[in-house]
Amino acid sequence: GAGVSQSPSNKVTEKGKDVELRCDPISGHTALYWYRQSLGQGLEFLIYFQGNSAPDKSGLPSDRFSAERTGGSVSTLTIQRTQQEDSAVYLCASSLGLKDTQYFGPGTRLTVL
Amino acid sequence: DQQVKQNSPSLSVQEGRISILNCDYTNSMFDYFLWYKKYPAEGPTFLISISSIKDKNEDGRFTVFLNKSAKHLSLHIVPSQPGDSAVYFCAAVGGSQGNLIFGKGTKLSVKP
Repeated sequence: GAGVSQSPSNKVTEKGKDVELRCDPISGHTALYWYRQSLGQGLEFLIYFQGNSAPDKSGLPSDRFSAERTGGSVSTLTIQRTQQEDSAVYLCASSLGLKDTQYFGPGTRLTVL
Repeated sequence: DQQVKQNSPSLSVQEGRISILNCDYTNSMFDYFLWYKKYPAEGPTFLISISSIKDKNEDGRFTVFLNKSAKHLSLHIVPSQPGDSAVYFCAAVGGSQGNLIFGKGTKLSVKP
């Protein structure tokens, strides 16, 4: 399809393990955003990319979180030494450019045991 | 402190009637607002948006109203249909990087 895709759809991991979440944005979209939704909460902004750069990492909740985007397309969000409070749905969105309408993927549900 | 607030966690409406979902914001610098709909186990789906230079935007059964002086916007759905049952999120574009600041959502249930 032509929408934003994310993988895996579900991930169960043990506390202390590292996880990688992947996002494939809509082709041609230069801006890519990561958000997360914890239980009972709204969507919380994590990080964005315009092209390959990541100008603002201030939304990342801790230094265990990192993200990269290669080739201006696919992005990976990595969480090191996962904690139970990292359990959430991680959502990726892309848009043509900054401040254009964002289109979301289906999300990755992360459960840290 | 929350910059975008949806004070009603849930709303129940009869099919065919109007659904009105409300949203308040605190930052007068916000100049673009969006509504998203979310079904369980799916990502949010864009519904409708409004720029601060307008006070109304309409798209089919969906109309968004913006009252800048009150820092309030609302989404009207008329007529409501059972398939509209979902969680609705209000969002504001937060800054120069374009990230969205979301409310906590309102769960709409449309009863047949």
